[in-house]
Amino acid sequence: DAGVIQSPRHEVTEMGQEVTLRCKPISGHDYLFWYRQTMMRGLELLIYFNNNVPIDDSGMPEDRFSAKMPNASFSTLKIQPSEPRDSAVYFCASSLSTEAFFGQGTRLTVV
Amino acid sequence: KQEVTQIPAALSVPEGENLVLNCSFTDSAIYNLQWFRQDPGKGLTSLLLIQSSQREQTSGRLNASLDKSSGRSTLYIAASQPGDSATYLCATSAGSMEYGNKLVFGAGTILRVKS
Repeated sequence: DAGVIQSPRHEVTEMGQEVTLRCKPISGHDYLFWYRQTMMRGLELLIYFNNNVPIDDSGMPEDRFSAKMPNASFSTLKIQPSEPRDSAVYFCASSLSTEAFFGQGTRLTVV
Repeated sequence: KQEVTQIPAALSVPEGENLVLNCSFTDSAIYNLQWFRQDPGKGLTSLLLIQSSQREQTSGRLNASLDKSSGRSTLYIAASQPGDSATYLCATSAGSMEYGNKLVFGAGTILRVKS
C-alpha cells in the first residue's frame, strides 16, 4: 500500500479564498483523522471519522472549517473563507482501530 | 482532559551514546501509546505502538516502555546515530476501543546526534 496520500503538498492562497485539502487513507482502514500542526500549538486533532461517519468534530476551530468523507477512500477538509491564522501543516491519518499512520501533510500558507 | 508532556524539549548527544526520551500523561485510562518520529518538513512515521496491556515494545535499536499507573513512557535509543536526528513525538489514545486511535500528542523532543 502507498500509505496515506494527501494533496496538495503545498498550498499558497490569498486571504478570503476557499481551500480544499484532500486525503486518501490506507485501504481497509476504518478510522480517518485530520490534524493540524503549528509551532505554537503542536499537533491538534480537528475531526475524525469512523466508517465514513464524523464522530468528533470538537477540534474544528470554527464554522469556516468543514470536513467530509463521501466514501471509504476519500476525505476533504475545506476552509472557507481562509485567513492568515489558518496557516499550518494539515495532516491526515488513518488507522484500523489501533496504530495510526500519517500522510506527508499539506503545508498551507494564507497570505 | 488528557495532557501529554515530553521531556526534554531538546537533546544533543554525540554519536554512539544511549539515550532516553521521556513522556508523561495525566490520564492513565489510555487505550495505547504510540511513539512517532518526524523529520523536518515531513510527516509522522510510527516507530512503536504499546497497547495498554503491554509494558514494552522493541524494534531494532529502539525500546519503548509503558507504566500506566504512573502515567509514564520512555523511548530508549541505543547506540545513537546521526540519522536518528529528528523530532520524537509521544501520543496517547483515548481509553476505549470505540474511540479508535484518537491521539493526544506531546510537544515532542528535538534530538540531534552529532557525528
